[in-house]
Amino acid sequence: GESVGLHLPTLSVQEGDNSIINCAYSNSASDYFIWYKQESGKGPQFIIDIRSNMDKRQGQRVTVLLNKTVKHLSLQIAATQPGDSAVYFCAEGSGTASKLTFGTGTRLQVTL
Amino acid sequence: SAVISQKPSRDICQRGTSLTIQCQVDSQVTMMFWYRQQPGQSLTLIATANQGSEATYESGFVIDKFPISRPNLTFSTLTVSNMSPEDSSIYLCSAQGGGTYGYTFGSGTRLTVV
Repeated sequence: GESVGLHLPTLSVQEGDNSIINCAYSNSASDYFIWYKQESGKGPQFIIDIRSNMDKRQGQRVTVLLNKTVKHLSLQIAATQPGDSAVYFCAEGSGTASKLTFGTGTRLQVTL
Repeated sequence: SAVISQKPSRDICQRGTSLTIQCQVDSQVTMMFWYRQQPGQSLTLIATANQGSEATYESGFVIDKFPISRPNLTFSTLTVSNMSPEDSSIYLCSAQGGGTYGYTFGSGTRLTVV
């Protein structure tokens, strides 16, 4: 079986509800932040990113909020679907083509 | 966005042996990255692979254990040397190629050392 997400905090959400996944980051000097989705047996998949000079960015069904004061990042998923079930990671970076530092991750479980 | 092909997808290896993981990108990228993801955990960066120079390793990872090659702008390999059961993990390669800052990942190599 798949081992990714076994020991990560889990968020259970009913299908159709909105999901909010939170992340605390460590480096106040980070230039940008990225959310990734990782499904069983796959590598992380890019969802959305946000620059440090922004506090909100919207994509298709997803919104990322950035609060630099408390170094907090959140991912909101509207009308959560079973296909959204996965492990979600935030990552932070600075500069161009630089390394990313990943957060601990949250497993999202969508119930019918 | 860049597409990365990583192989093997999984392997079971005897302790003391070495395994080389390959990553092929469908476009030229400046930097590639190698991560380790232990069961139930997040991703930890092993090293950054630059074309034409030695890889830069993160604290806790050394070249003798994880030698990396980067012969051109589309390809890189990571070798896990003299393996022990503690090396059992998922290994992922990454390159920048999606979104404003988006880094694309390979599908990972699930390594089990027995």
